[in-house]
Amino acid sequence: AQKITQTQPGMFVQEKEAVTLDCTYDTSDPSYGLFWYKQPSSGEMIFLIYQGSYDQQNATEGRYSLNFQKARKSANLVISASQLGDSAMYFCAMREGLYNQGGKLIFGQGTELSVKP
Amino acid sequence: DTGVSQDPRHKITKRGQNVTFRCDPISEHNRLYWYRQTLGQGPEFLTYFQNEAQLEKSRLLSDRFSAERPKGSFSTLEIQRTEQGDSAMYLCASRGRSRGEETQYFGPGTRLLVL
Repeated sequence: AQKITQTQPGMFVQEKEAVTLDCTYDTSDPSYGLFWYKQPSSGEMIFLIYQGSYDQQNATEGRYSLNFQKARKSANLVISASQLGDSAMYFCAMREGLYNQGGKLIFGQGTELSVKP
Repeated sequence: DTGVSQDPRHKITKRGQNVTFRCDPISEHNRLYWYRQTLGQGPEFLTYFQNEAQLEKSRLLSDRFSAERPKGSFSTLEIQRTEQGDSAMYLCASRGRSRGEETQYFGPGTRLLVL
């Protein structure tokens, strides 16, 4: 069964430091996509970064990078140089199957990140 | 490009009433998804449209729930005879039609409170 596990309910990080949010996944499908979303207290889900199962290199988007370890089925999010505005819930999600299939997302439980000044 | 919009942003209703939510996807996005998020949980998939066709429904979508996308543009989600357990955030997302467009973009959500 498809599953996303985020084992850190809450994390603290000092402003300007880097932080890693953990995510492991389980799927038997060879084609899948992994996503990270940020959800501030306002509720909107903000897309951060995407990694395809066949991508050879780890994805990066500005201060965000995804540490993709396929054999270990992990897709950790690294935020460099944390800012106060990074305080939010962070969700890891997985899409199973090829592009032309439905593509529903399976989400983890989330990690609440708090950035300290 | 304007983002995904949802209306209303908040809805308070009494148990037993019907409610309807609207989602306007990013223009040209042919795929539209509805999710439900309860407090402290990640979003859970409800249903998926490709153009006007509803191609997948979750078991979470009981008979009291119905979703439509009549012209392949905006979508509505209706809940009949609401129950307190329906209280949640209802999120809509859209995704493009082109190969390589992997990302689902979410709207601001509709927070439903059933009293």
